[in-house]
Amino acid sequence: DVKVTQSSRYLVKRTGEKVFLECVQDMDHENMFWYRQDPGLGLRLIYFSYDVKMKEKGDIPEGYSVSREKKERFSLILESASTNQTSMYLCASSSRQGEAKNIQYFGAGTRLSVL
Amino acid sequence: AQSVTQPDIHITVSEGASLELRCNYSYGATPYLFWYVQSPGQGLQLLLKYFSGDTLVQGIKGFEAEFKRSQSSFNLRKPSVHWSDAAEYFCAVGGGAGSYQLTFGKGTKLSVIP
Repeated sequence: DVKVTQSSRYLVKRTGEKVFLECVQDMDHENMFWYRQDPGLGLRLIYFSYDVKMKEKGDIPEGYSVSREKKERFSLILESASTNQTSMYLCASSSRQGEAKNIQYFGAGTRLSVL
Repeated sequence: AQSVTQPDIHITVSEGASLELRCNYSYGATPYLFWYVQSPGQGLQLLLKYFSGDTLVQGIKGFEAEFKRSQSSFNLRKPSVHWSDAAEYFCAVGGGAGSYQLTFGKGTKLSVIP
């Protein structure tokens, strides 16, 4: 089974802090994604990465950056956290092989509160 | 641009009743379609997918979905709902070659009355 692990289930941070959300997958997937989930808005893509050191902006990249130094790890960085970044953050991964590239596997999520 | 509409924000059904969750999509080519389920406080789990072939697809937990190209729909069904099915359900559409991204609907929350 694919396992996508997010390092924290819950985080509480102060406004202005630099925040790191970590995600690790164990299936050698090429693609990794960061989403933000808010009530009534569904999932919105922040960034995705299709290879080590490669990244592309999603729908809502403002205020976020990402890092992918190793294939299995994809980090989301909030350079200066703000209260409007309080949300549930979901990491996902997928293979780039054939039709399987469209099947995304999700971690359990990190619920971030910025005070 | 691709999009997904889930018209029902919240549905309540009695345990043992049948269920149908609606999903309409907009996509320029043959879509890849998915249903995911999210239990409270958890990530998303894949229920089923449609890539091609038979338009009625079976998934886990007794769910099925039917792809209707003429109606741009991919509705999720279950003949008899269990209390453990209470969760939020997301429909998603993805592209073919060269596209890695999925576009998700805003979700339908299912409540089950004992």
